[in-house]
Amino acid sequence: AQSVTQLGSHVSVSEGALVLLRCNYSSSVPPYLFWYVQYPNQGLQLLLKYTSAATLVKGINGFEAEFKKSETSFHLTKPSAHMSDAAEYFCAVRSYNTDKLIFGTGTRLQVFP
Amino acid sequence: KAGVTQTPRYLIKTRGQQVTLSCSPISGHRSVSWYQQTPGQGLQFLFEYFSETQRNKGNFPGRFSGRQFSNSRSEMNVSTLELGDSALYLCASSLEPSGQGATKNIQYFGAGTRLSVL
Repeated sequence: AQSVTQLGSHVSVSEGALVLLRCNYSSSVPPYLFWYVQYPNQGLQLLLKYTSAATLVKGINGFEAEFKKSETSFHLTKPSAHMSDAAEYFCAVRSYNTDKLIFGTGTRLQVFP
Repeated sequence: KAGVTQTPRYLIKTRGQQVTLSCSPISGHRSVSWYQQTPGQGLQFLFEYFSETQRNKGNFPGRFSGRQFSNSRSEMNVSTLELGDSALYLCASSLEPSGQGATKNIQYFGAGTRLSVL
């Protein structure tokens, strides 16, 4: 069964610092991978998606993620954190067996001034 | 273009009652999925509807049910509410159902309905 693991339930960075949120997937076939962001009291917003095209995927708000098959990873990065990036981030994989969207447990990002 | 609309935003119910939540998808989207989000279990898939038919179902008891109307709007119903049903219920819509192509099945989420069971 496919799954995703997000390492670190909480990540804290200073404003202007690099943001790195980790996601590892488990899949025996090329997966479809997604990153979503959830701001307080809101639903999920799609940041970016990997669908077996380019391995470096650029998303909204300056975020990007790189698909690394050898490491089964799809880490989310942003060169310079902004206060408005404080939110919870979810990595997700679409299951090939069931077509369901399977989410990781989420990483809460805090940005300090 | 309006996004996914969920109503109501907040609900308070007592144990044993039933509740109906509503979701209006993005115009032109024909597939609707429902998720339950809790601090303990995270985001869990409930079910997916397309063309008024349930295509997929998660591992939830039969107290959880849903339906989709001809205009693609969807409702989910929870009967005999339990304290553990307190959660944020999220609805997502996509152009086509899952499995129909990487772009057409990208899911866009509503703001959710927060249900509190007392």
